[in-house]
Amino acid sequence: EPEVTQTPSHQVTQMGQEVILRCVPISNHLYFYWYRQILGQKVEFLVSFYNNEISEKSEIFDDQFSVERPDGSNFTLKIRSTKLEDSAMYFCASRGTRGNNQPQHFGDGTRLSIL
Amino acid sequence: SQQGEEDPQALSIQEGENATMNCSYKTSINNLQWYRQNSGRGLVHLILIRSNEREKHSGRLRVTLDTSKKSSSLLITASRAADTASYFCATVSPNAGGTSYGKLTFGQGTILTVHP
Repeated sequence: EPEVTQTPSHQVTQMGQEVILRCVPISNHLYFYWYRQILGQKVEFLVSFYNNEISEKSEIFDDQFSVERPDGSNFTLKIRSTKLEDSAMYFCASRGTRGNNQPQHFGDGTRLSIL
Repeated sequence: SQQGEEDPQALSIQEGENATMNCSYKTSINNLQWYRQNSGRGLVHLILIRSNEREKHSGRLRVTLDTSKKSSSLLITASRAADTASYFCATVSPNAGGTSYGKLTFGQGTILTVHP
C-alpha cells in the first residue's frame, strides 16, 4: 500500500538555524498538509497546500514557516530561524480526491529538537 | 475553545473486553474521523463518519455520531493487546467562507492500554 514518507526521522538543530523537513506524499494525491505535535499535547494543524499554493494556514504558521512542492513529488516545510518552542513532532499528510470525506494519510513524522 | 475533546484520557482494560472512547466538538462539521497512533509512529486512519450519518462499522470498530449533542463515540469490541495505542478524534469543518480544504482539528486523545 502506498505510504507517505518523511525524512529525516530525527533532526537536531541549534536555535536560530534554518531547518527543512521533507515529505514524499502518495503519488496521485492532490492535497498536502503539515501538522505538529508538541510532546504531551494534541496534534495541531499548520498548513494545507493545493494546486501549488497554500490553501489554508493556522496562526502558528507565521513568517518563519514556508512550504514548497519543488518537483512534483517532494513537499517540504522550512523553518527559517528556529526557536526552542519549535521542538515537536512534525507530520506530513496527503489526501487524494477533491472531496473532504476522504481520510488523510500520515507519515511517521520528523522529531525536531531545537537546542 | 477546544474542538474534539476525548474522554476518558486513559483507559485500561483486559484483552477481550470492549473499549469505548468519547469525543465532543463545538462547531459544525463536514465529517468526524478517528485515528490511532502507536508510540513514536504516525497517525493511522481508522474510520470516517459523515455529518449526515449516525453509525458506521468497520471490522471490530463501531462509530456513532450525534450532531445534536456534538459528540461521537468509538467502540472497539473484543480488544487485543495490539490495540494498545492512543486514539484521536478529528473533525473537518467548513471555514469562515464556507469552504474546506480538509484541515483536521484533533482532540487530546485517549490512551488505551489492553492487558493480555
